[in-house]
Amino acid sequence: DAGVTQSPTHLIKTRGQQVTLRCSPISGHKSVSWYQQVLGQGPQFIFQYYEKEERGRGNFPDRFSARQFPNYSSELNVNALLLGDSALYLCASSVRDSLYNEQFFGPGTRLTVL
Amino acid sequence: AQTVTQSQPEMSVQEAETVTLSCTYDTSESNYYLFWYKQPPSRQMILVIRQEAYKQQNATENRFSVNFQKAAKSFSLKISDSQLGDTAMYFCAFMYPLGAGGTSYGKLTFGQGTILTVHP
Repeated sequence: DAGVTQSPTHLIKTRGQQVTLRCSPISGHKSVSWYQQVLGQGPQFIFQYYEKEERGRGNFPDRFSARQFPNYSSELNVNALLLGDSALYLCASSVRDSLYNEQFFGPGTRLTVL
Repeated sequence: AQTVTQSQPEMSVQEAETVTLSCTYDTSESNYYLFWYKQPPSRQMILVIRQEAYKQQNATENRFSVNFQKAAKSFSLKISDSQLGDTAMYFCAFMYPLGAGGTSYGKLTFGQGTILTVHP
């Protein structure tokens, strides 16, 4: 079975621009979570979507937004990019049908803001 | 809010030897999950081992085992018979069960990571 896929692999943008990152969950998984991983640090939670609704949001500014589509894929949007938004963005999917919400990670999108 | 601390930024070990990575966490809840994830240079985050807080027995997965000390809020990872392929960044992570405290939705909280290098 295919794992979590993310596109694009790498992305270079300039300050002030907008970016859209995409994630396709494992087949059968209805929940998608987004994490930001700055170089040399642990991932930080951004959003979780389940059944197309936002279920949780981390401590990120309103420039960050996301949505989930009927096929459970998801997009993360970041507006007015800052240099500090340069990071690896990880998507994780889960079935979310038990107390234990095991998350499976994709390979990530490396975003560089110049 | 829960926090996770990894105090060892870097560790190294010789192939076939044993190494222990440390992790402490803070929470006021009694029911939660703890994890160790491995992130090799390829960036793919891989689950190594999981521990349920309500289980007293330490989890084991082949060469990987944990020492879970609930009262001390400590969760260390022991890697036995280290292999070159174990070279990676290791993250300790924490999660509440879905619905815990009325608000949990199962997000992961990660530590800062420990870079492990296995030398031949």
